[in-house]
Amino acid sequence: GQNIDQPTEMTATEGAIVQINCTYQTSGFNGLFWYQQHAGEAPTFLSYNVLDGLEEKGRFSSFLSRSKGYSYLLLKELQMKDSASYLCAVRDPFRDKLVFGAGTILRVKS
Amino acid sequence: GAGVSQSPRYKVAKRGQDVALRCDPISGHVSLFWYQQALGQGPEFLTYFQNEAQLDKSGLPSDRFFAERPEGSVSTLKIQRTQQEDSAVYLCASSLFLTEGDDYEQYFGPGTRLTVT
Repeated sequence: GQNIDQPTEMTATEGAIVQINCTYQTSGFNGLFWYQQHAGEAPTFLSYNVLDGLEEKGRFSSFLSRSKGYSYLLLKELQMKDSASYLCAVRDPFRDKLVFGAGTILRVKS
Repeated sequence: GAGVSQSPRYKVAKRGQDVALRCDPISGHVSLFWYQQALGQGPEFLTYFQNEAQLDKSGLPSDRFFAERPEGSVSTLKIQRTQQEDSAVYLCASSLFLTEGDDYEQYFGPGTRLTVT
């Protein structure tokens, strides 16, 4: 089976740091993706992890622990435009399809 | 360069009507995916093409759903005899298939919002 869990909603203050967690239990694993999706728009790629550890890309970092089935997305120096849904997705190793969590709605307040 | 485009962006259908949703992937992208996204949920996989071959259609919810990609570029998702539960955003994504294990991302189109009344 496939099960990907992430918090439903989070609120943070402009300029702060926020960590969005994702845990997964999947029948296969070939990488974990984070996507950002603004309301009514397409998901856009943020990060990809296939090996354990931290990947940093500007204000965004993503961490993966395969043994724990755990990832997080870290957003630094939050801006109002970061208010969006953040989707965690695991790639199926056989057909490349992505299995998504329900998404975490992040609200950034001033 | 052009991204993934989808048309129409919005579609209202009466229950029982047939609809056809179009996806134009990024030029040269071998892999094409269709996902269904219900309100407040993450996208759910429907079907996958590699060039013109439909390699996985395990996510299609019923035999009313049919997808094709006859020339390995543009794809059409067809839903026959639409039902209210088909109301959702239908997302198309494409990726540049290189070799297995490459960390290629899927690029998503803006989606078609289907409302069945």
